[in-house]
Amino acid sequence: NAGVTQTPKFQVLKTGQSMTLQCAQDMNHEYMSWYRQDPGMGLRLIHYSVGAGITDQGEVPNGYNVSRSTTEDFPLRLLSAAPSQTSVYFCASSSFSYYRTDTQYFGPGTRLTVL
Amino acid sequence: ILNVEQSPQSLHVQEGDSTNFTCSFPSSNFYALHWYRWETAKSPEALFVMTLNGDEKKKGRISATLNTKEGYSYLYIKGSQPEDSATYLCAFMSGAQKLVFGQGTRLTINP
Repeated sequence: NAGVTQTPKFQVLKTGQSMTLQCAQDMNHEYMSWYRQDPGMGLRLIHYSVGAGITDQGEVPNGYNVSRSTTEDFPLRLLSAAPSQTSVYFCASSSFSYYRTDTQYFGPGTRLTVL
Repeated sequence: ILNVEQSPQSLHVQEGDSTNFTCSFPSSNFYALHWYRWETAKSPEALFVMTLNGDEKKKGRISATLNTKEGYSYLYIKGSQPEDSATYLCAFMSGAQKLVFGQGTRLTINP
């Protein structure tokens, strides 16, 4: 199993550009999520999904869109990149349990710089 | 907004010493508490998921305890080794399928 994969690993954008960060998992996990990691801030939840066709907002959703058309994929779209979106982005997946007692598996991260 | 606090923010420990740090979270509406270990340039890796008050989990030299009534969890490392150097994250689940992470405790083991 590849686990959770993310592409690209690094990306530089100009302000106003759009792009999609890809995330895929091969563990048949229902739950997938996107986090951003900024210095001194820990991991903050951007969007999450509890299954194909179902998404919801996390703590910091503004400026990002997601969709979940398949169980395996959960892309994150930056609509119009801003310097404040410079960060490291992590995708994670886990089996679904209502009380979130299942371990999350994280991807390797995408380091995004917006100039 | 839920507040998950970890202390200390950073810690330097001599090799062979034992250490512990704290995760504080809201004591109401508790579902689960996760601990992750995060090495530099890698992805966070799960250590424990704790759900019951009084839970105690152990993995090798690392153990954790949980007090849901007062809203805290301790992570202990016995006989620290250089490979224990990492950032340790806790994450609190209160409902609505959202994990809220603390800012982490950065542990450095000095040889």
